[in-house]
Amino acid sequence: KQEVTQIPAALSVPEGENLVLNCSFTDSAIYNLQWFRQDPGKGLTSLLLIQSSQREQTSGRLNASLDKSSGRSTLYIAASQPGDSATYLCLTPSGGANSKLTFGKGITLSVRP
Amino acid sequence: NAGVMQNPRHLVRRRGQEARLRCSPMKGHSHVYWYRQLPEEGLKFMVYLQKENIIDESGMPKERFSAEFPKEGPSILRIQQVVRGDSAAYFCASSPERGTGTQYFGPGTRLTVL
Repeated sequence: KQEVTQIPAALSVPEGENLVLNCSFTDSAIYNLQWFRQDPGKGLTSLLLIQSSQREQTSGRLNASLDKSSGRSTLYIAASQPGDSATYLCLTPSGGANSKLTFGKGITLSVRP
Repeated sequence: NAGVMQNPRHLVRRRGQEARLRCSPMKGHSHVYWYRQLPEEGLKFMVYLQKENIIDESGMPKERFSAEFPKEGPSILRIQQVVRGDSAAYFCASSPERGTGTQYFGPGTRLTVL
């Protein structure tokens, strides 16, 4: 059974800081891994998707890496801004392409002006 | 191409009433998933459906909860005799037949049970 862990549960940083959010998973035979953000009371916004054959993906100030052998993914946010404040979730399909997603509990990020 | 649509966005029910949550997947998507997010908790899988079939309901509570995805129309998550503990955000996601592992999420329905 896949388990996804995100530590710490919350993080507060000053604006402009580069930061890394960590995600670990127990079953390395993943199909892919996704990072989402969730704003308070809102839905989920997909940030980055890394296929199992890939090592990293980049979108703007965001970079996500995947190390299946160690069961880890990191989301790197460069030059953080107050608008980055949200909860960041990593998740992965439990089986193949069409299977339920296993979510981490998320990391609540607060970027102070 | 419209995204995944859910309605209502907010639903208030009194204890004992029924709640019906609707999800219209993205055009061309035949796989629907329901997830629940309880207050202060992460998202948890409930059920996975394809048209007219329940594929995986391992996350569904055994009583009061049911889901369907008919040949025509939206997927429905039905909660009978709601209790306060059912208050949560319910998210629906969809994916195409030939899945890439990406699920596209709707905005969610926030259920409040008084």
